[in-house]
Amino acid sequence: DTAVSQTPKYLVTQMGNDKSIKCEQNLGHDTMYWYKQDSKKFLKIMFSYNNKELIINETVPNRFSPKSPDKAHLNLHINSLELGDSAVYFCASSQALAGGFSTQYFGPGTRLTVL
Amino acid sequence: AQKVTQAQTEISVVEKEDVTLDCVYETRDTTYYLFWYKQPPSGELVFLIRRNSFDEQNEISGRYSWNFQKSTSSFNFTITASQVVDSAVYFCALSEEYNTDKLIFGTGTRLQVFP
Repeated sequence: DTAVSQTPKYLVTQMGNDKSIKCEQNLGHDTMYWYKQDSKKFLKIMFSYNNKELIINETVPNRFSPKSPDKAHLNLHINSLELGDSAVYFCASSQALAGGFSTQYFGPGTRLTVL
Repeated sequence: AQKVTQAQTEISVVEKEDVTLDCVYETRDTTYYLFWYKQPPSGELVFLIRRNSFDEQNEISGRYSWNFQKSTSSFNFTITASQVVDSAVYFCALSEEYNTDKLIFGTGTRLQVFP
């Protein structure tokens, strides 16, 4: 009955590889997000999707491509992985309240290590 | 420009002590939301509270309390009678009216509670 789930939890790969992280939410929310948490714990939004439509793209390299097959899923594909991509990636989801504000609920995170 | 500052990088206390985590924010909007999230050593991000800019009433939930003061742009978080299980990194975050989907996080405060 996990609300926001991510797979895999850990991902270790070589530089130059392509990898994907999957996210699913069963909360019935219409907006999903990807955040990156760096080694200093700083959290920054990467993307947000509302009903499969891209809303926010925060100057992320185009090696990162989110894909939303339906509003319950938001996957993150990363091409040509670089050392600097090593981080924890969090998926989140929310349902808009009055005025458009919402509370974002986060998945458990995926720790990506690029060697 | 929008910004969230958590000046305390790390705080250590002994169990049963009270501890206050500071959060100062900057925004040009008059309508906004403030949040606190907890990240325990297991790594997930747990939502604690949401407060809108028009509601300055303090909030109490068990041992947790929050003090929102617009005059000083602060949204501080107090844990009363701290416990070892409170050890975590705590993040304050801001969401603004003109970009409701985007959470702007502070750099986090690591709280260590020793037995």
